[in-house]
Amino acid sequence: KNEVEQSPQNLTAQEGEFITINCSYSVGISALHWLQQHPGGGIVSLFMLSSGKKKHGRLIATINIQEKHSSLHITASHPRDSAVYICAVVNAGGTSYGKLTFGQGTILTVHP
Amino acid sequence: DTGVSQDPRHKITKRGQNVTFRCDPISEHNRLYWYRQTLGQGPEFLTYFQNEAQLEKSRLLSDRFSAERPKGSFSTLEIQRTEQGDSAMYLCASSLNRWGTGELFFGEGSRLTVL
Repeated sequence: KNEVEQSPQNLTAQEGEFITINCSYSVGISALHWLQQHPGGGIVSLFMLSSGKKKHGRLIATINIQEKHSSLHITASHPRDSAVYICAVVNAGGTSYGKLTFGQGTILTVHP
Repeated sequence: DTGVSQDPRHKITKRGQNVTFRCDPISEHNRLYWYRQTLGQGPEFLTYFQNEAQLEKSRLLSDRFSAERPKGSFSTLEIQRTEQGDSAMYLCASSLNRWGTGELFFGEGSRLTVL
């Protein structure tokens, strides 16, 4: 089992829909990152979370440390949101302290 | 600062040749990560550094892969005797970690094609 699991792997939505992408992890972490990668493009950081909730525009990210789970929400989705969304965790302890472990990514397609 | 830069952006080589990639992180970033990504897959861990110290190397990597960060600034990733299976995008990321985990910044990647 991977240390970081994302769901769903693929997500198709109509413009305007509310979208949720989930991330579960099995290791102790110091932080969790949500990343975005457009087709053929580089990776950009959307959020870094260690607790609670953050909001940037139409994007909201939450984390529950006790349940080892995070969600990324997109409100009023738009075709330009179509991208791969990746969850990555920073290991908190042991010999892998500071190591960054990625989920497999969620491919989001938003149709007009 | 112009962000994380990687060089070269594209490299085409013949099987059996050696290749080297360079990553220049954001100035003063003490943590540097190397990953690789193939089409349709998430990034796969290769190795990472805290300053000049290499903290961990993926057990999936053979001895053909080596990375250095000699002065705690730029880093190089060398692949010896390349194989077609090495064809991928090689990504570098950096962050500043002092009193907690810092935000991640990624380079544009170095695309390797082994013929």
